[in-house]
Amino acid sequence: GAVVSQHPSRVICKSGTSVKIECRSLDFQATTMFWYRQFPKKSLMLMATSNEGSKATYEQGVEKDKFLINHASLTLSTLTVTSAHPEDSSFYICSAGGQGVNEQFFGPGTRLTVL
Amino acid sequence: AQSVSQHNHHVILSEAASLELGCNYSYGGTVNLFWYVQYPGQHLQLLLKYFSGDPLVKGIKGFEAEFIKSKFSFNLRKPSVQWSDTAEYFCAASGSARQLTFGSGTQLTVLP
Repeated sequence: GAVVSQHPSRVICKSGTSVKIECRSLDFQATTMFWYRQFPKKSLMLMATSNEGSKATYEQGVEKDKFLINHASLTLSTLTVTSAHPEDSSFYICSAGGQGVNEQFFGPGTRLTVL
Repeated sequence: AQSVSQHNHHVILSEAASLELGCNYSYGGTVNLFWYVQYPGQHLQLLLKYFSGDPLVKGIKGFEAEFIKSKFSFNLRKPSVQWSDTAEYFCAASGSARQLTFGSGTQLTVLP
């Protein structure tokens, strides 16, 4: 399957700071990228869907001003957690899909800990 | 509303036992079905997928799943589990929009 990377894999930050997480598709053009959040012992919850060159579509209950998503190219999407608070601590996972492809390829995830 | 249900939250088996994990979905229109596995400390990996055609799908590592449209089910099976199959298993579904809806996951523990 296709390869999707995330950076960083782990980040610890102070409350009030902003954190940027990158998601890259390494060997295919990802027309659509998805961002998920996974709580401990819980399933993945879709946060938003981003299409290259257009604004992201956020799921109900996800604050778009809190979780800024940019999908500037066919290989890169970024999620910025603005003014992070301890309740934002979680495992954030991205996935990427190509044109005409029903399958999504998942990144390894980023563990965010906000102190 | 679209939903995926996994009723087994934690399954404990001995090695060589047979496995069946339940998955039911509620989706309007065409549905694509997936099973993912997440080993401890690792990222999600695709076990198998169903888009159309033969309802019995074979995946990696000896896993298979059967799509039963009349029961809205896509149960995962393996005839003989190994200790290395210990992991979290997620059933997921998507429609034409390609957005995945995940089930709550089933933790499988295989005792040596």
